[in-house]
Amino acid sequence: DSGVTQTPKHLITATGQRVTLRCSPRSGDLSVYWYQQSLDQGLQFLIHYYNGEERAKGNILERFSAQQFPDLHSELNLSSLELGDSALYFCASSPLPGELFFGEGSRLTVL
Amino acid sequence: QQPVQSPQAVILREGEDAVINCSSSKALYSVHWYRQKHGEAPVFLMILLKGGEQKGHEKISASFNEKKQQSSLYLTASQLSYSGTYFCGTEPVSGTYKYIFGTGTRLKVLA
Repeated sequence: DSGVTQTPKHLITATGQRVTLRCSPRSGDLSVYWYQQSLDQGLQFLIHYYNGEERAKGNILERFSAQQFPDLHSELNLSSLELGDSALYFCASSPLPGELFFGEGSRLTVL
Repeated sequence: QQPVQSPQAVILREGEDAVINCSSSKALYSVHWYRQKHGEAPVFLMILLKGGEQKGHEKISASFNEKKQQSSLYLTASQLSYSGTYFCGTEPVSGTYKYIFGTGTRLKVLA
């Protein structure tokens, strides 16, 4: 158990819909990262937050947005969903640069 | 741009050795290695901060050549539990706060 909690674990929805993925970081970790992993693919960096502020963006689609709240939990919002958005979405928190602790992921299936 | 790992995949027998390479086109501050077992989240293995520094973790060690922007992961006397996909994670010197993972190397250890 990494200490990072992600909900929901599984989500099935239709094209055009909107979903929100939630992440609770490990106690004390200020950094939260979001990654997308499509089937048998690598980890694509989406966005990094530190103590409520956006630190860096990767190739995150405009249909996707995220935020980190004062209690440090983070949410990733995915809208106007397309079939290609089906993937495993990981959240990771970090006490130090580079040492990431991953949640179990949220598996999104868009039908 | 994503660091490139080689080989893409490798199959070993128990007890054999393997080397996984990670090469970046950007100057790196640090390199980290992760292992992801099928259906699970990536797990942090080790961090390398200084050029040429080697770190060890059980029978797994790594080196980092900052001048060449390359890192290698050494797995000796491989065990069945080593099977999984290995990713290098990189933090660029430019301090963009992006944490980018390499392309991944699938390792399978056979009995």
